[in-house]
Amino acid sequence: DTGVSQDPRHKITKRGQNVTFRCDPISEHNRLYWYRQTLGQGPEFLTYFQNEAQLEKSRLLSDRFSAERPKGSFSTLEIQRTEQGDSAMYLCASSLSSPLVEQETQYFGPGTRLLVL
Amino acid sequence: EDQVTQSPEALRLQEGESSSLNCSYTVSGLRGLFWYRQDPGKGPEFLFTLYSAGEEKEKERLKATLTKKESFLHITAPKPEDSATYLCAVQGDSNYQLIWGAGTKLIIKP
Repeated sequence: DTGVSQDPRHKITKRGQNVTFRCDPISEHNRLYWYRQTLGQGPEFLTYFQNEAQLEKSRLLSDRFSAERPKGSFSTLEIQRTEQGDSAMYLCASSLSSPLVEQETQYFGPGTRLLVL
Repeated sequence: EDQVTQSPEALRLQEGESSSLNCSYTVSGLRGLFWYRQDPGKGPEFLFTLYSAGEEKEKERLKATLTKKESFLHITAPKPEDSATYLCAVQGDSNYQLIWGAGTKLIIKP
């Protein structure tokens, strides 16, 4: 399967702990996005990378959240000092941006479901 | 401010009963409107991209159309396996992030 993969699929943690999620995009894709989704809502943009550069970060994103894409391939999203309000599905998507591609389409992974107790 | 509104929130249909889902949007300079399908506990699955008013795209029992203010996802003779949440998103000229609606939960009863 050459789609977007995420690990772990589920994470239960206690309030105050740090958690880290990993995303492996489709191999030739240069853009990688992180979203958060709560029940009954559409995904909410968190941040995105073009290759290894983090180009945009949501103004709503707490300083407790940090993301990296060190070699322009996989990415990690870390949440420090988790709070109960961080409980959500964290989605990763990747896309190919190129002058030869008419429109960029984001393809999503299966998500990581986080529960903070 | 870019915004997407989907209606209805939920739709229950009998198998074979055709209907349409609505996605209304406001965006400064539409680069693309996207439809995704999402099953419970899974990530969104890409269905269609529409670029300009008047455009239509089809896939099996689904057909997406686009005007300057809204998009419709028409489902013809649906089957129970079409049950899912259908999400609409837009991408504007100002940035690359997608702006999402809350989705329509579609339930097809056999």
